[in-house]
Amino acid sequence: DAKTTQPTSMDCAEGRAANLPCNHSTISGNEYVYWYRQIHSQGPQYIIHGLKNNETNEMASLIITEDRKSSTLILPHATLRDTAVYYCIVRVVTGGFKTIFGAGTRLFVKA
Amino acid sequence: KAGVTQTPRYLIKTRGQQVTLSCSPISGHRSVSWYQQTPGQGLQFLFEYFSETQRNKGNFPGRFSGRQFSNSRSEMNVSTLELGDSALYLCASSLWGHPGQETQYFGPGTRLLVL
Repeated sequence: DAKTTQPTSMDCAEGRAANLPCNHSTISGNEYVYWYRQIHSQGPQYIIHGLKNNETNEMASLIITEDRKSSTLILPHATLRDTAVYYCIVRVVTGGFKTIFGAGTRLFVKA
Repeated sequence: KAGVTQTPRYLIKTRGQQVTLSCSPISGHRSVSWYQQTPGQGLQFLFEYFSETQRNKGNFPGRFSGRQFSNSRSEMNVSTLELGDSALYLCASSLWGHPGQETQYFGPGTRLLVL
């Protein structure tokens, strides 16, 4: 699986959009971009994933650049409960899950 | 549907002992993966099982092993425990293990402390 690079930490004001960037410049054509988050001491929670088109669900939006070398996770209206570590990972389509997690971005949402 | 369950939730062992952790996937899920999370190394992939067979393996020593039963429940075993094995061990399940078409659901983890 390709390696990803994320900022170590970010701050966001409550009610504002949180934009979390991820660089995956070595991504292959058969690799998806996935986002998870982990609230302290809990298991990671799935947020969203995509291949090359932008995706949106009830939690977030995922914007993938045309060359697929980077992506941005957008939490449209961040709340205090969104404070967590956010992981951006890439996965090959076949062969099962053999995920490599990076260090992630620690997002602090402040009142 | 019930989520992924892991037992026990907390465990204290001493160096040299062995430990077995259990994971029950979401009903109907056949792929089970294990991860180790430590403050220094972050989330690291241990292995993945599908239909009672180990399909993928991370870069861990042979002291770490696992198995999957016919009902998809999985266990992982760590023999000759070392202090560095203290970690949160996470289990995740998915339907068929097809990234892109499915997602993995994680359990709450088992926190192991080795003294």
